[in-house]
Order: sequence, then C-alpha cells, then structure tokens
Amino acid sequence: GENVEQHPSTLSVQEGDSAVIKCTYSDSASNYFPWYKQELGKRPQLIIDIRSNVGEKKDQRIAVTLNKTAKHFSLHITETQPEDSAVYFCAASRQGNQFYFGTGTSLTVIP
Amino acid sequence: DAMVIQNPRYQVTQFGKPVTLSCSQTLNHNVMYWYQQKSSQAPKLLFHYYDKDFNNEADTPDNFQSRRPNTSFCFLDIRSPGLGDAAMYLCATSTPGQGGEKLFFGSGTQLSVL
Repeated sequence: GENVEQHPSTLSVQEGDSAVIKCTYSDSASNYFPWYKQELGKRPQLIIDIRSNVGEKKDQRIAVTLNKTAKHFSLHITETQPEDSAVYFCAASRQGNQFYFGTGTSLTVIP
Repeated sequence: DAMVIQNPRYQVTQFGKPVTLSCSQTLNHNVMYWYQQKSSQAPKLLFHYYDKDFNNEADTPDNFQSRRPNTSFCFLDIRSPGLGDAAMYLCATSTPGQGGEKLFFGSGTQLSVL
C-alpha cells in the first residue's frame, strides 16, 4: 500500500506565527490529498484537501501545496491561534478508495 | 444529523472475549472503512469494503474480521482481543470518483481490554 511520511512530529509556534507541516507519499497513482485536524478524543475533521490536478489551494488562514513530481505536499497555517492547537494528519488516496495517513504532527500554539 | 454512527462510544471487554463494534451510515456511500488508532498515532487502515467487495490490508491480524450485510451497516469483529488491541476504532465512509472522495468519520469506539 501507500506509504505516507509526515514531519515534524511536534511543532510549537508563537501565536500569530506561521506553521508548516510536510508530507511525502510513495504511490504515484495517489491523486487526492486531504488534511485532518484531530482534537483529543475526537474524530479527525477534514480541514482542507487538494487534488493532483491542482498545485495550491487556500482557505482563509490555511493553504496546501502539492508537488506531484517530488511527491510531497504541505500544510501552511498563517496567523496561528491557540485554537489551532491539535494533531494534524495528512493522507493520500487513490481515487478516494483507500486512505493512508501520515504519522501526525502535534501542533501547539503558545499564547 | 449524524451521518456515520458508531456504537458504542466506549466498549470494555475482557482479554480473549469476542467483541463486535458497529457502524452505520446515512450517506449511501459505496466504501466503508475500519481504522485502528492507538494513542498519539495515526489511524491505521485495517480493511475496507467497496460495496460488497472486501479488501484486507496485508498487515491486519487474522484476529480482526469484518462484515457488511448491507450498504448502511458494517461491523468489526475482534475474535480474541488482546491487551494490544485496546485502541480507538474509527469507521469511515467515502464515495470514490466524481469529486466525492471525502472521507467521513464516525465518532469512534474506544475499546478497553481488561
């Protein structure tokens, strides 16, 4: 199956600073890349996604970039706020069939 | 208006005692997944059904089995739970293709093994 690697595993930033989380994938056939935010004891929530025919997508303070050639994609959070503190997972999927998750990044935003 | 429903929210079982977790969906999605998530780890795909076709991950232990009697329901059976099977079990659904790839998660069942 697909192998998704995610870095860093932990990230601390000051409130208002930016946070960047990076993922790489192994299966060149993967074409859908969602990002999930998970708070303690809760289900993962989709925050943004990108398809392989798009290089960048932005939604307010959150953006995702994709480099298909290098097989990596990144999550960018600008103007971070304490409520952004959570664990973030990237994932890769082929045609929305089978989703493989990265190892997660625990983000702490320091007020 | 919960769309992917898992019951129970918390399940306690004894070592070696079979346990079944259930999942239902109101989305009419083709694919249903079971993920295992241990503390501070990523969700790990155990298996999934694409309609009635069962797809097992190569590293899923034989102790885990699944049933999907119809489109709406899917069950995870753990035949002989061990202490290492204590985890959050997440059910999810999706409809591949046609731009409908989004994965919808249930609230999960937290399994404890005593």
